[in-house]
Amino acid sequence: EVQLVESGGGLVQPGESLRLSCAASGSTLSENWMHWVRQAPGKGLVWVSHIKGVGTSTSYADSVKGRFTISGDNAKNTLYLQMNSLTAEDTAVYYCARGGPNRSFDYWGQGALVTVSS
Amino acid sequence: QSALTQPASVSGSPGQSITISCTGTSSDVGGYNYVSWYQQHPGKAPKLMIHGVTNRPSGISNRFSGSKSGNTASLTISGLQAEDEADYYCCSSTSSTTWVFGGGTKLTVL
Repeated sequence: EVQLVESGGGLVQPGESLRLSCAASGSTLSENWMHWVRQAPGKGLVWVSHIKGVGTSTSYADSVKGRFTISGDNAKNTLYLQMNSLTAEDTAVYYCARGGPNRSFDYWGQGALVTVSS
Repeated sequence: QSALTQPASVSGSPGQSITISCTGTSSDVGGYNYVSWYQQHPGKAPKLMIHGVTNRPSGISNRFSGSKSGNTASLTISGLQAEDEADYYCCSSTSSTTWVFGGGTKLTVL
């Protein structure tokens, strides 16, 4: 069974950085597209970033381009999201999700809450 | 990367059918058969319900079906049940290998 477990969320001040992790089991990161999707409190889902395999290709939403970096560690089978220059608008639950058939997201983690506030 | 357009809310009685629409552009919904639908209950992670416009993953009830016409995709739920009450999101991959979600639709089972 595929399991994705996010960690690293927390409270940070505007302008600070944070790194989220997503540990995968039952699935090999290097064989799948992996994504980060976020959801601000009371709001809808927003796609953030994807990585194809581990590092072969990446893409980002315009709202995070240049500030966020997605990466993966094959040995640890773990996905990361490095988030820099955080603002209040980045406050959200961040989900990692595995890329599924027809560019869908077939498995999701439980989410990690990131709060940016002074 | 503008969000796809979904109705904010829909409702139906048990046993009835409802349809949720999802409107995009020729650069996303209309250009590719990469539309997927997700169900999200409060406080839970989203769950894949439909992929590739019309395909149900293993374990998803055949009461859920998807379709597309031009730039608009649709999710139909037939034989509404109380447990179907949730938020539903459409999503499409785009011409620039990014993804865009709809704003979400709250389904109320009366």
